[in-house]
Amino acid sequence: GENVEQHPSTLSVQEGDSAVIKCTYSDSASNYFPWYKQELGKGPQLIIDIRSNVGEKKDQRIAVTLNKTAKHFSLHITETQPEDSAVYFCAASLENTGNQFYFGTGTSLTVIP
Amino acid sequence: DADVTQTPRNRITKTGKRIMLECSQTKGHDRMYWYRQDPGLGLRLIYYSFDVKDINKGEISDGYSVSRQAQAKFSLSLESAIPNQTALYFCATSDPGSPLHFGNGTRLTVT
Repeated sequence: GENVEQHPSTLSVQEGDSAVIKCTYSDSASNYFPWYKQELGKGPQLIIDIRSNVGEKKDQRIAVTLNKTAKHFSLHITETQPEDSAVYFCAASLENTGNQFYFGTGTSLTVIP
Repeated sequence: DADVTQTPRNRITKTGKRIMLECSQTKGHDRMYWYRQDPGLGLRLIYYSFDVKDINKGEISDGYSVSRQAQAKFSLSLESAIPNQTALYFCATSDPGSPLHFGNGTRLTVT
């Protein structure tokens, strides 16, 4: 099955700086890569996703990049704010074959005011 | 109201007891999932169901069972709880080709 690795496990940045979280996957057939944000006491919520026919996607301060050849994808958060502090999970999936999602182990991001 | 509702939010039980965690959804999705979250291990799939008559094991199904009572309801049972089943449990739903939508979790402690 698919194996997703995520780094770093913890990340602290100053408010206003950028944060980057990286994930690698093992199954070259995976074609859908969502990112989730989990706040304390809540379930993970989708913040951005990318499909394998696209190399980059942006949504305001958040961007995701995908390198299919190297089998890695990254989450970029610019101009970080204290409310960005949370645990972030990457995931990989092969759509249309059961929609199973394989998750990374999570990154705890702390934005220091 | 939450689209995916899990009950209870917290549960403390003793070793050997049978317990059930419940999940209901108003999103109209056919697919439902149970995940377990442990610190440093991320989210691991326990069971999933693509419709009312469909049940599939995930990567860590041993010690668990599920029931899909209706399109909107998917329950997870621990037949005889043990301490290493102490974890945060999440229910999720999706449509084919769409991302997962999670509930707010059930924190289970087995003493």
